[in-house]
Amino acid sequence: SQQGEEDPQALSIQEGENATMNCSYKTSINNLQWYRQNSGRGLVHLILIRSNEREKHSGRLRVTLDTSKKSSSLLITASRAADTASYFCATGGSGNTGKLIFGQGTTLQVKP
Amino acid sequence: DVKVTQSSRYLVKRTGEKVFLECVQDMDHENMFWYRQDPGLGLRLIYFSYDVKMKEKGDIPEGYSVSREKKERFSLILESASTNQTSMYLCASRGGGNDEQYFGPGTRLTVT
Repeated sequence: SQQGEEDPQALSIQEGENATMNCSYKTSINNLQWYRQNSGRGLVHLILIRSNEREKHSGRLRVTLDTSKKSSSLLITASRAADTASYFCATGGSGNTGKLIFGQGTTLQVKP
Repeated sequence: DVKVTQSSRYLVKRTGEKVFLECVQDMDHENMFWYRQDPGLGLRLIYFSYDVKMKEKGDIPEGYSVSREKKERFSLILESASTNQTSMYLCASRGGGNDEQYFGPGTRLTVT
C-alpha cells in the first residue's frame, strides 16, 4: 500500500537554486523520514521529523510537517550538481517493528 | 557506521530457478527488511523480520519467502523465479533505538 504521494515526480533546476519536494500521506504517523537515492544505489537516510515537530533543519535541508494536512515538504537550499538524485519520503507508524511506507519519489536534476 | 551488505549487485537467473538473495548487517539490529523497487512504484515491502526466526509479511509477499537464522543475516528466497520478479531488491536494517533504516546497495535481478 502506498502511503506517501510525492510531488513533483521530477524536478530540474540550476545549481544554486532551491529545490522543494512535497509529500502527502493518508494515515496517522509517528514520524516522517526523507531518504535520498543516487542512481542504481541504495537509499541513504537524510532527516527524520516526529509527529509532534513542525520543522527541522540539517545543513542545507529543511523539512516541515503539517499533520493537520497530512503533508511534508523537503527544501534543499543552494543546490549543487551532487544533489542530483531521487528523494523519497517514508512514513513510520507506532509500534516497534519500524515498518516504513515509502512514496514513489521525486527525481531531482541539478544542472551545473 | 552501520554497514549493510548484499551478496550480489547484479544477478541473472532463468525462469523457474530458485534464487537466494543474502543480506548482512553488522550493527546488531533487531529489524531487517526486504523491499523491491520498480519504476513508478517506489519501494514496496516484501517481508520483514523483527527478531531471529521471526518474520512478517509485507505488502507483496507472494512468490517470496525469507529466512532469518542469525540476527545479522536476512535472506530473501524466490522459490521459482518468474520474469515479473525482475526488479531491484533492497535490504535494510533498523535498531539501536533509532527509527531510520540503513540500506544495502541493492541487487538488480533479471529473470529471463
